[in-house]
Amino acid sequence: DTEVTQTPKHLVMGMTNKKSLKCEQHMGHRAMYWYKQKAKKPPELMFVYSYEKLSINESVPSRFSPECPNSSLLNLHLHALQPEDSALYLCASSLRTGGVEAGELFFGEGSRLTVL
Amino acid sequence: GENVEQHPSTLSVQEGDSAVIKCTYSDSASNYFPWYKQELGKRPQLIIDIRSNVGEKKDQRIAVTLNKTAKHFSLHITETQPEDSAVYFCAARRGQNFVFGPGTRLSVLP
Repeated sequence: DTEVTQTPKHLVMGMTNKKSLKCEQHMGHRAMYWYKQKAKKPPELMFVYSYEKLSINESVPSRFSPECPNSSLLNLHLHALQPEDSALYLCASSLRTGGVEAGELFFGEGSRLTVL
Repeated sequence: GENVEQHPSTLSVQEGDSAVIKCTYSDSASNYFPWYKQELGKRPQLIIDIRSNVGEKKDQRIAVTLNKTAKHFSLHITETQPEDSAVYFCAARRGQNFVFGPGTRLSVLP
């Protein structure tokens, strides 16, 4: 299994809603990432989890709250978002986060979020 | 922090011609340089990568070269085909952080 699975594929929410994005991998990877991608732009790093611990938060607003319940799952909780938060949210995983054995980044298909 | 530049931003080639995309990075501690292809509405997919202890790597029609001294690396696609049309992103990894270049939109004209 070389897949990173993300749900939902599409999400429309109002600015007062609370929703969550989910990501799952069963490759035994110990590093998991959330990226945000706007149209015609590269993926932009939001969070990195290493061995289920948050290791990088790229100054992301608190309306985005990540959670890593176990080594296979990664969630992104969304609350009080703004229309400018509309984007494709990509989850990714790699064997580890650093060193020569870190390995490549595997991306999920993404969750396309629209905030009304 | 790391900064990755990528050129050109758009590239059109005739089918069968070669395409070259160039990237530069700023952090000499970066040690891994992947290239991703992203088709419209799809996820980025790794097409080739190179580590800092290697100067060149080839996989069929795709090759990557790395010049650590100059801090630049390049993607070479030979015998281009229409299905090569996509956005290509280079990236540099230092520790836990992958930083992506702004992307190159490649169009292969039949």
